[in-house]
Amino acid sequence: KQEVTQIPAALSVPEGENLVLNCSFTDSAIYNLQWFRQDPGKGLTSLLLIQSSQREQTSGRLNASLDKSSGRSTLYIAASQPGDSATYLCAVTHMNYGGSQGNLIFGKGTKLSVKP
Amino acid sequence: SQTIHQWPATLVQPVGSPLSLECTVEGTSNPNLYWYRQAAGRGLQLLFYSIGIDQISSEVPQNLSASRPQDRQFILSSKKLLLSDSGFYLCAYTDNQNTEAFFGQGTRLTVV
Repeated sequence: KQEVTQIPAALSVPEGENLVLNCSFTDSAIYNLQWFRQDPGKGLTSLLLIQSSQREQTSGRLNASLDKSSGRSTLYIAASQPGDSATYLCAVTHMNYGGSQGNLIFGKGTKLSVKP
Repeated sequence: SQTIHQWPATLVQPVGSPLSLECTVEGTSNPNLYWYRQAAGRGLQLLFYSIGIDQISSEVPQNLSASRPQDRQFILSSKKLLLSDSGFYLCAYTDNQNTEAFFGQGTRLTVV
């Protein structure tokens, strides 16, 4: 059974710091991995999608890496800003037995607070 | 462009009352549709997913049901709400290439 773990559960940093959020998954048979941002009381906003054949994706100050063999992904945020404060969720699209695509399985998230 | 709409944003319902939450998707055909629940302090739990009209799979036994009467419409229902049904409900879709997932803005349900 696929399980996704995110460490740390919460993180507080001063503005301007570079930071790394971690995500690990137990089954390397995945189609892709996606990072989301969730503001309090809101839905999820997709940040980056990494296909299983890719090693990383970049968007602005965000960079996500994927090491499928070790079951790990990291989200790197450069020059953090107070507006980056939110909960960051990692999810993998599981691959079913037989190779068909399964469902998104989420970690519990990392709550990030960037202090001005 | 593709968009997903979910309503209502908030809902307060008494125990034993029925429920209907609606989700619609625009700008794509034959999407995979999902209902998730997010309880406080817990991760997102997949409730239902659908790969086509009237094709619904349930991930967990519960007091809820889902229907997909049209290609881009997904409805979450209950005949009689329980206190434990309170939570934040999210609808999501992936396109027919099963790639990136997009979420609605969620419905905060409080059962009193």
